Amino acid sequence: AQSVTQLGSHVSVSEGALVLLRCNYSSSVPPYLFWYVQYPNQGLQLLLKYTTGATLVKGINGFEAEFKKSETSFHLTKPSAHMSDAAEYFCAVSDEAKTSYDKVIFGPGTSLSVIP
Amino acid sequence: DAGVIQSPRHEVTEMGQEVTLRCKPISGHDYLFWYRQTMMRGLELLIYFNNNVPIDDSGMPEDRFSAKMPNASFSTLKIQPSEPRDSAVYFCASSPPGGKVYGYTFGSGTRLTVV
Repeated sequence: AQSVTQLGSHVSVSEGALVLLRCNYSSSVPPYLFWYVQYPNQGLQLLLKYTTGATLVKGINGFEAEFKKSETSFHLTKPSAHMSDAAEYFCAVSDEAKTSYDKVIFGPGTSLSVIP
Repeated sequence: DAGVIQSPRHEVTEMGQEVTLRCKPISGHDYLFWYRQTMMRGLELLIYFNNNVPIDDSGMPEDRFSAKMPNASFSTLKIQPSEPRDSAVYFCASSPPGGKVYGYTFGSGTRLTVV
């Protein structure tokens, strides 16, 4: 069964510093990978996704993530944190297997705090 | 498109009462998912539908919970009777065919408080 691990339930960075949120997955087949962001009192919003092709994917708000198959990782980065980046971030995975139904497995989430 | 619409945004009810949460998916999306989010358990998938048919309800906590999708534009999640431990934020999400490629669109959620 697929699973998603996010290292660190809480991450704090200074404004302007590098943001690195870690995600590892287990999957028996090449996966589809997603990062979602949840701002306070809102639903989850798709930040970026990897399906096929280039392993470095860019998303909204300056975020990007790199799919590393050998490490089964899909870490999220942003070169310079902004106060508005403070939110909960969820990594999610779905396999490429030709199942009849679409189901995505979400990780436990990482809460990002940005310190002025 | 107005996105996924959930109602009500907030619900406060007394223990033992029936609660009905509502969701309108994005037009053309044929997958609909109900999630529950709590501090302790995180984001849990309760049930999902494809073309109005329930596919997997293994996440529904117990018989007090039920979900229906009478048509492509409307779904309900009902709790009867409600208990304080049901207090959580309930999200509805929808996706088009091949949603695991495109990702899900979430509603803003319903914050349920059972007192």
